Amino acid sequence: EPEVTQTPSHQVTQMGQEVILRCVPISNHLYFYWYRQILGQKVEFLVSFYNNEISEKSEIFDDQFSVERPDGSNFTLKIRSTKLEDSAMYFCASDGQGVSEQYFGPGTRLTVT
Amino acid sequence: GENVEQHPSTLSVQEGDSAVIKCTYSDSASNYFPWYKQELGKGPQLIIDIRSNVGEKKDQRIAVTLNKTAKHFSLHITETQPEDSAVYFCAARAKSQGNLIFGKGTKLSVKP
Repeated sequence: EPEVTQTPSHQVTQMGQEVILRCVPISNHLYFYWYRQILGQKVEFLVSFYNNEISEKSEIFDDQFSVERPDGSNFTLKIRSTKLEDSAMYFCASDGQGVSEQYFGPGTRLTVT
Repeated sequence: GENVEQHPSTLSVQEGDSAVIKCTYSDSASNYFPWYKQELGKGPQLIIDIRSNVGEKKDQRIAVTLNKTAKHFSLHITETQPEDSAVYFCAARAKSQGNLIFGKGTKLSVKP
């Protein structure tokens, strides 16, 4: 069964450093998303991406964040200068069109020290 | 924007009993309501969903009901088993957006 994959599973970084989280969405999907989940809290939307551009973003997704689809399979989230409060699980998700099932990857645990 | 409320935050049942988790949403334009199960350290796993043109959907031991007028939807798990223990999230999606708005989650514990 096709699935969303993410790497790394755990990333530890120092405050102020740049991190890139990587995702491979399901191959025939068209819409890609990043969400985050602070420990013990609900899943929060960050950004959606369609047709090689951002389609929606939340207030959380400020200038420190960027997304890219560098090739036909990968979808990345970059945090330019990490802060302690960026520590969270980051989930990538994808779906085939605007109103179909959305599938999540296993997540990357980001720890900023 | 959309706001999703979920209750209860924790739910403990005996194996074999039923469990019900309820959500309400605020945006009448929302038309898609999935439920996700999240086990410790893993990503949310889609377990069932319902669209706004349907009032109820069943898949084996799980069912979801939707009341569009009241903006309520609920997850029903029958004959619960210990492996059903997890955090369950409801979510809603409005017509014009692809992103999901999640509830705060319900930690379900099924005691053998």
